[in-house]
Amino acid sequence: AQTVTQSQPEMSVQEAETVTLSCTYDTSESNYYLFWYKQPPSRQMILVIRQEAYKQQNATENRFSVNFQKAAKSFSLKISDSQLGDTAMYFCAFPRWDTDKLIFGTGTRLQVFP
Amino acid sequence: GAGVSQTPSNKVTEKGKYVELRCDPISGHTALYWYRQSLGQGPEFLIYFQGTGAADDSGLPNDRFFAVRPEGSVSTLKIQRTERGDSAVYLCASSPRLGGANVLTFGAGSRLTVL
Repeated sequence: AQTVTQSQPEMSVQEAETVTLSCTYDTSESNYYLFWYKQPPSRQMILVIRQEAYKQQNATENRFSVNFQKAAKSFSLKISDSQLGDTAMYFCAFPRWDTDKLIFGTGTRLQVFP
Repeated sequence: GAGVSQTPSNKVTEKGKYVELRCDPISGHTALYWYRQSLGQGPEFLIYFQGTGAADDSGLPNDRFFAVRPEGSVSTLKIQRTERGDSAVYLCASSPRLGGANVLTFGAGSRLTVL
């Protein structure tokens, strides 16, 4: 079975600081994609970053970067220079390659304090 | 449209009633997904469509749940004989095509409360 685990229900960080959100997953596939989505109070899920498993280079999108450890099946999200607008739920997700189902973790609630 | 639109935004109903939730995907997106998000949980897959046909409906919890997409655009999620346990946010998403690499664009969801 393919699963996604986010072990940090809540995290907090001060504005301008750096925070890392953890995600581990389990799959028998060799090629797949991994995603981080953000869900603000407005409820609309927004893509933060995407990683291709066959690429060794970690993906980066402005202040957001990932630490992808394929052997350890770990996919953490680093947010640099945290902003108040980063306050949201963050979900790690990956699709089953054969069915296109996107499997989500239980999420991490991030609070950014001024 | 510019984004994925879901209506109603909020729906309160009584146990046993029938409800319909509507999703209007991004124009041209052939793949459409429904997810259910219970309080404090991540979204759980319900069903997805490729065009008009349901490609995978294995996430529908029971036969009270049904979804259609008759013209390959707008989709309706239908829930019969609602139960309190059906209370959740129902999220719709679309993408240009099926495939694990695709980024899903989500709507803001429909919050269903069953009293």
